[in-house]
Amino acid sequence: AQSVTQPDIHITVSEGASLELRCNYSYGATPYLFWYVQSPGQGLQLLLKYFSGDTLVQGIKGFEAEFKRSQSSFNLRKPSVHWSDAAEYFCAVVQELTGGGNKLTFGTGTQLKVEL
Amino acid sequence: DGGITQSPKYLFRKEGQNVTLSCEQNLNHDAMYWYRQDPGQGLRLIYYSQIVNDFQKGDIAEGYSVSREKKESFPLTVTSAQKNPTAFYLCASRPTSGRSHTQYFGPGTRLTVL
Repeated sequence: AQSVTQPDIHITVSEGASLELRCNYSYGATPYLFWYVQSPGQGLQLLLKYFSGDTLVQGIKGFEAEFKRSQSSFNLRKPSVHWSDAAEYFCAVVQELTGGGNKLTFGTGTQLKVEL
Repeated sequence: DGGITQSPKYLFRKEGQNVTLSCEQNLNHDAMYWYRQDPGQGLRLIYYSQIVNDFQKGDIAEGYSVSREKKESFPLTVTSAQKNPTAFYLCASRPTSGRSHTQYFGPGTRLTVL
């Protein structure tokens, strides 16, 4: 079964510093990968996605992610973090379902704290 | 504006009671999903529906039930059989045409059992 690992439960960075959040996946074929962000008590907002093609994908709010098949990774990056980026970040992979359709398998999330 | 609405935002339930969480979307999406979120566990799939009048169990369906009588609506009932229902519940939808696998999420309902 597909799985997603986010090894960092909590990360703290200073405002203006660069950020990298790690995501590793387990999937046999070419994966469809997502990064979502969640503010406290809110739903999930899509940051970016990778389906195929260019392995460096750009998202909203200045985020980008790079798909590396050899490392089974899809790490999220931002060159300069803003205080408003403090939130929880989830990596997810599409998993096909036997009854048809698909679902998302999520990592356990990384909580980002930004120090001013 | 198109989107997904969930109500209520907060819900309190006494032990032994059934409660129903509402999820409505005006995105014209065929597929809809219910996830449960607990601290440190990410999101886990409860039920999903690919089309009206059809739905399937997800990974943690025990103690939950759903219906899909209209394309726009996918209510979730948390029954008294659910042993630990206190959690944050998220509804999502997805278009099934084309190659889109992107799911769009509602704002969530926080359920607390008193």
